[in-house]
Order: sequence, then C-alpha cells, then structure tokens
Amino acid sequence: EAGVTQSPTHLIKTRGQQATLRCSPISGHTSVYWYQQALGLGLQFLLWYDEGEERNRGNFPPRFSGRQFPNYSSELNVNALELEDSALYLCASSLRSLAGGITDTQYFGPGTRLTVL
Amino acid sequence: GESVGLHLPTLSVQEGDNSIINCAYSNSASDYFIWYKQESGKGPQFIIDIRSNMDKRQGQRVTVLLNKTVKHLSLQIAATQPGDSAVYFCAETGGATNKLIFGTGTLLAVQP
Repeated sequence: EAGVTQSPTHLIKTRGQQATLRCSPISGHTSVYWYQQALGLGLQFLLWYDEGEERNRGNFPPRFSGRQFPNYSSELNVNALELEDSALYLCASSLRSLAGGITDTQYFGPGTRLTVL
Repeated sequence: GESVGLHLPTLSVQEGDNSIINCAYSNSASDYFIWYKQESGKGPQFIIDIRSNMDKRQGQRVTVLLNKTVKHLSLQIAATQPGDSAVYFCAETGGATNKLIFGTGTLLAVQP
C-alpha cells in the first residue's frame, strides 16, 4: 500500500513569488494535514482538511492557504514568499475523524523542501 | 501557550542498551499521544501511540508510558540498534481539533 506522497521534493523560489505544494493521502484517508518544519524548530501545524473543507488552521498568516480536491489530494499555496518561509513542508493523512472527536493516527509523507532566496 | 517539551535534546547510548526518551506536555485536555521517528531527509514515521485511558502500551521493542498526573510521556526502546539513530518527537492532540502539537525533538545517537 502506498504511503503519503508529496511533490515536488525540492522547490526553490525567490522572495515575493508563490509556491504550490501537492500531497496525495493514503488510499482511504479523507483527512489531510499540513505542517511546517523550519530549521531548529519543531513541526508546526498549518492546516487540516477533511471532505474538502478546511477544519482547522494554525497560527500562520492568510498567505498560507490550501484546498482539498474531491479525490482527497491537497494543495498548499504560499503567496508573497518570505525568506523565513524556507522550511520542510510535511503533509500527513488520516482516516476521517471518529465520532466523539477521537483522533485517528496521522501518517506523514516525505515532505517538500522549500527554499526561498 | 500550547507546548510539548522534551527534556533532553540529545541522547547518546551504546548499541544493545535500552533508551528512554522523555517528554512533558502542557495541555491536560490532550487525550491522544504519539511518538514519531524522523530520519535525516525523511518525514516523521509513526512508532507507537497511546490514548489517555491507558498508562502503558507496548510494541515491538518499544514501550510508551503515560503519566497523566505529572503530564509526562516516555518512549522506551529495548536493545537499541544503530538503525534507531534518528530524531524522536512526541506529539499530543485532543478534542476535535486533530491538531498535533509537537515537541522540538530528541536526537538519539547509537554508538556501536
């Protein structure tokens, strides 16, 4: 069974440009999550999508946005790139949240390394 | 603010020894905890999880202990191997947010 896949592996942009990162979840998973892992920092929660809807958002500015498609794959868009946006962007997927808010395990992809020059 | 902290940023052990990685969490409402292993250049890999209605859970060579009284989580690795060398993260979540809150990680270095 294939795991979470992400593309591209590496992405180099200049300040002010836009970046688009893509993620395909594990087959059968409907929830997709995005995390940022900057150098020297832990993983920071960015966004959660389930059934095409944004369910939760971390403490990031509005220029970080995304969407989830009918096939449950997802895009993360970062507008007006800044130098500090350079990081590893990780996508995770899980089964749909269970009744009562019980969280299911999140499985991660290999990440996209974004470098902003 | 929300945080999950690790006591030891680097842990060096001899091959064959047991390793213990500790983690403190701050949100008493968290009810689900996960340990991830991240090797260089890769995404975090699920190791083991535990829900708040349990104190201990065992996997293959790994055990997670949860002490809700002091909000402490630990990962025990038996007979540590060179392939266990990686950064280990604990993460917590609770309620309907599904947001994982990660610690900064502990680097486990296994000496041959």
